[in-house]
Amino acid sequence: DIQMTQSPSSLSASVGDRVTITCRASQDIINKLNWYQQKPGKAPDLLIYTASSLQSGVPPRFSGSGSGTDFTLTISSLQLEDFASYYCQQTYNVPLTFGGGTKVQIK
Amino acid sequence: QVHLVQSGAEVKKPGASVRVSCTASGYTFTGYFIHWVRQAPGQGLEWMGYINPNIGDTNYAQKFQGRVTMTRETSISTAYMELSSLTSDDTAVYYCAKRLNKRTDAFDVWGQGTMVTVSS
Repeated sequence: DIQMTQSPSSLSASVGDRVTITCRASQDIINKLNWYQQKPGKAPDLLIYTASSLQSGVPPRFSGSGSGTDFTLTISSLQLEDFASYYCQQTYNVPLTFGGGTKVQIK
Repeated sequence: QVHLVQSGAEVKKPGASVRVSCTASGYTFTGYFIHWVRQAPGQGLEWMGYINPNIGDTNYAQKFQGRVTMTRETSISTAYMELSSLTSDDTAVYYCAKRLNKRTDAFDVWGQGTMVTVSS
């Protein structure tokens, strides 16, 4: 199975901050990497697919980059509604696997 | 609008089985794989498998092989996930999710989740 390692597991930031979350795959997954946002008690929402494609309706302050084994989700200017948990997911092969998550909290 | 609506919360005893339904609307049900993902309380996301609603073929995570069965009824645009031999470790919210398109297994639409509690 492909292991997905996210870092950090949590972070504290202020509104307006630039936030970066990283995800590392245990093997080359080309660009088969997606990012999700999840708020408490809700299902996840797709933010980014195939590493850098912005899902329809997602604000452009969210961006994704990377290929191979190392990937990054960046929020250019954190907004109040962005305080949530974020998960990466590889879809290179089955079993599809998720990172452990990053909780973004208010500083 | 595209929606996935899941069945309600369940409480089961250890050793029992549970079946969760996922009813699709707003798109062609047979055109997109349906995946199942679960999330234990306070934990991360765990992929369980998928079903191709068009022909009914499935692919299960090895962890659940022999315990999970995914089926569908195309006439009512509904997918089902049945998990047997439940233990307390199966207590979780179970989600169905729709595949974005044929080129990627990103999940663009999710059900609201079904809480399954396993307790004696």
